[in-house]
Amino acid sequence: ETGVTQTPRHLVMGMTNKKSLKCEQHLGHNAMYWYKQSAKKPLELMFVYSLEERVENNSVPSRFSPECPNSSHLFLHLHTLQPEDSALYLCASSRGFEKLFFGSGTQLSVL
Amino acid sequence: GENVEQHPSTLSVQEGDSAVIKCTYSDSASNYFPWYKQELGKRPQLIIDIRSNVGEKKDQRIAVTLNKTAKHFSLHITETQPEDSAVYFCAASFSGSARQLTFGSGTQLTVLP
Repeated sequence: ETGVTQTPRHLVMGMTNKKSLKCEQHLGHNAMYWYKQSAKKPLELMFVYSLEERVENNSVPSRFSPECPNSSHLFLHLHTLQPEDSALYLCASSRGFEKLFFGSGTQLSVL
Repeated sequence: GENVEQHPSTLSVQEGDSAVIKCTYSDSASNYFPWYKQELGKRPQLIIDIRSNVGEKKDQRIAVTLNKTAKHFSLHITETQPEDSAVYFCAASFSGSARQLTFGSGTQLTVLP
């Protein structure tokens, strides 16, 4: 393990459900990220938190809501998702915005 | 913003041969270029990176070259082995700002035994 842990590994949800993805890092990093990975597409940066403040929000729909209560934990709250939101959601952390350490991801399926 | 193009999307080589993956970027201000490897079902992992003040960097069988004038950089893997089979992603950013880290679309490398 690289020190970045994501749960759950797999998630199936209906379009009316509310669920949350969790990420935890034990590397002493000061920045955390959410990325979306879809088949045959580049990794898409969704949110960046530095020192618990959101510093980037790349025009992500409001049905995705991040939360960073401290420098070790990051959540992604999901509600009323669409089938096209099905993807692998990767959390990452870094010290000083370089050399990203990724978690194993949550494979999300929206039915 | 930055745009990173990666080619080829798939690459098959015989074990022992070399593999080359190329990326081009659009923003001349970009100065940090990492490469990530993602094995099937696993997380992306940084394998090598280069900064714009150098033209080449090597780490055992892996090397990266950078041509700032042409705005392209390449990953070279020599003496390929089956465990090199994975998806490789290039990326580019202006150092100090990972929110501007832009990834390529990935190359599926298959090393045939």
